[in-house]
Amino acid sequence: NAGVTQTPKFQVLKTGQSMTLQCAQDMNHEYMSWYRQDPGMGLRLIHYSVGAGITDQGEVPNGYNVSRSTTEDFPLRLLSAAPSQTSVYFCASKRAANYGYTFGSGTRLTVV
Amino acid sequence: TQLLEQSPQFLSIQEGENLTVYCNSSSVFSSLQWYRQEPGEGPVLLVTVVTGGEVKKLKRLTFQFGDARKDSSLHITAAQPGDTGLYLCAGETSGGSNYKLTFGKGTLLTVNP
Repeated sequence: NAGVTQTPKFQVLKTGQSMTLQCAQDMNHEYMSWYRQDPGMGLRLIHYSVGAGITDQGEVPNGYNVSRSTTEDFPLRLLSAAPSQTSVYFCASKRAANYGYTFGSGTRLTVV
Repeated sequence: TQLLEQSPQFLSIQEGENLTVYCNSSSVFSSLQWYRQEPGEGPVLLVTVVTGGEVKKLKRLTFQFGDARKDSSLHITAAQPGDTGLYLCAGETSGGSNYKLTFGKGTLLTVNP
């Protein structure tokens, strides 16, 4: 099993550009989430999904969209990139509530 | 917003010493998870505790969930340089489709040989 696969690993964007961070898992997990990790701020929840067709906002959703058309995929879209979105983004999945997450290896995004 | 306070924020010790990391909140959680993260990688799950008062052991690591399910601790016995890393606690609340997992800011542990 590949686990949770995130692409790309690194990305540089110009302010105002849009892009999609890809996340795929092959463990048939129902729950998937996107986090961003910033120095001194810890991991903050952007959006999450408890199953295909169901998404909800986390702590810092502004500027990001998600969709969950399949169990396997949970892409994160940046609508109009801003320097404040420079961060490391992690996708994670898990089987159900009260189980632990499996994290991807992250996407390091820089917005200039 | 649920807050998880982790302490200490930084910890530098010598090989063989014992240490305890604390994770505290005013919120009640349905589960409490501990992760370890290496530089440039994603967090890796160490343990999930669900029941108030629960104690789990993973080799030299002992995890405890508070009776009221608001706090947790991680105790490492005879620390080794391989234990070096960022330790994160995360509290989960869930009810139907309303679900949140909130992370503490982490404890950066350095074990010197």
